[in-house]
Amino acid sequence: QKEVEQNSGPLSVPEGAIASLNCTYSDRVSQSFFWYRQYSGKSPELIMSIYSNGDKEDGRFTAQLNKASQYVSLLIRDSQPSDSATYLCAVNRGTGGFKTIFGAGTRLFVKA
Amino acid sequence: DAEITQSPRHKITETGRQVTLACHQTWNHNNMFWYRQDLGHGLRLIHYSYGVQDTNKGEVSDGYSVSRSNTEDLPLTLESAASSQTSVYFCASSSGQGTDTQYFGPGTRLTVL
Repeated sequence: QKEVEQNSGPLSVPEGAIASLNCTYSDRVSQSFFWYRQYSGKSPELIMSIYSNGDKEDGRFTAQLNKASQYVSLLIRDSQPSDSATYLCAVNRGTGGFKTIFGAGTRLFVKA
Repeated sequence: DAEITQSPRHKITETGRQVTLACHQTWNHNNMFWYRQDLGHGLRLIHYSYGVQDTNKGEVSDGYSVSRSNTEDLPLTLESAASSQTSVYFCASSSGQGTDTQYFGPGTRLTVL
């Protein structure tokens, strides 16, 4: 079992729809959770971080964390063609010397 | 503005040659990381450092080495390049204080023939 698992996709949604990206992780003591966006040929960039159970909203993006189920998700509302990218889920046990583990990423395609 | 740079951006080399990829950050971050990214594998950690003179092996460290002589730089050396090391290499840094958000360099595309 991979430490961080994501569906590789591609996930295809029409413009204006909600895109839902999911991630599960195996280490129960994980404390920090991140979503990075990576455009083709570019480097990953952080779009959301979440540390507590529940929802965290930032503009069109909402991250959801359920530590009991070891599950983190990213919702993108009003999806735009510019959201077409690979989304990487990343998990860390905490600060002070622990490594961040990345999932393989989910490719999202937003159709105009 | 603070940034993290990598050089070269593209490199073609031959099997058996030694190759060094440079990474330089002006964030004054303590933590620096090297990843490789291959289709289907996502980002895999090669080596990392939590400060000057500190280096640690990641999950795919065989054939690679790093050294940290100052805060700003973490060069990655391929001792004897192999075709299996053809990949895109990303350097990243983080402050290690509170959130561990990582900031990535633009990447180096390495081809080993």
